[in-house]
Amino acid sequence: GDSVTQMEGPVTLSEEAFLTINCTYTATGYPSLFWYVQYPGEGLQLLLKATKADDKGSNKGFEATYRKETTSFHLEKGSVQVSDSAVYFCALSANTGNQFYFGTGTSLTVIP
Amino acid sequence: EAGVAQSPRYKIIEKRQSVAFWCNPISGHATLYWYQQILGQGPKLLIQFQNNGVVDDSQLPKDRFSAERLKGVDSTLKIQPAKLEDSAVYLCASSFSLGSSGNTIYFGEGSWLTVV
Repeated sequence: GDSVTQMEGPVTLSEEAFLTINCTYTATGYPSLFWYVQYPGEGLQLLLKATKADDKGSNKGFEATYRKETTSFHLEKGSVQVSDSAVYFCALSANTGNQFYFGTGTSLTVIP
Repeated sequence: EAGVAQSPRYKIIEKRQSVAFWCNPISGHATLYWYQQILGQGPKLLIQFQNNGVVDDSQLPKDRFSAERLKGVDSTLKIQPAKLEDSAVYLCASSFSLGSSGNTIYFGEGSWLTVV
């Protein structure tokens, strides 16, 4: 079945460091891919998405490119801030568009 | 545009008691989801509705959990009787429709349940 695997955390970085959180997926057909962010005490918020191969999603300095050949959707940011501290979830949406599968989440802490 | 509304935000109950959570999705969203998120884990789908019909409830523990969406808009998730392992955040989410590539799911703030 469809699934998402993301790197385990927690991840701790210094402010202005480069961030990569790995995400790979297994799916039949051509899913859409997402990154969601969850701040403490809040629900999940959409961070970015990509709907087809080679698409790049971007938002708030974060980027991820849909790589069909490696079945990956790694999240990157060039310079993290303390305010980026949160849990990040990779997710995919199956072909029908309404079944979503989430990874286990990667906790990021950015220290000043 | 108003987001997904959930209530209550926090609830503490004793085991074997019952609890109900309410969700109002984004206006016009036909698909509504209830997820359970245990601390440190990703969301796990409990039930998915399309309008007022159930699309997927394969992971809903039906001996104690029930959910309804009678008029195809808001929804209620009930747990009766609660167990200690039901302590989690219950996330409601909604999306526009079936069959749309790139369809995005939007979450509410969550209802935090502690069973003691």
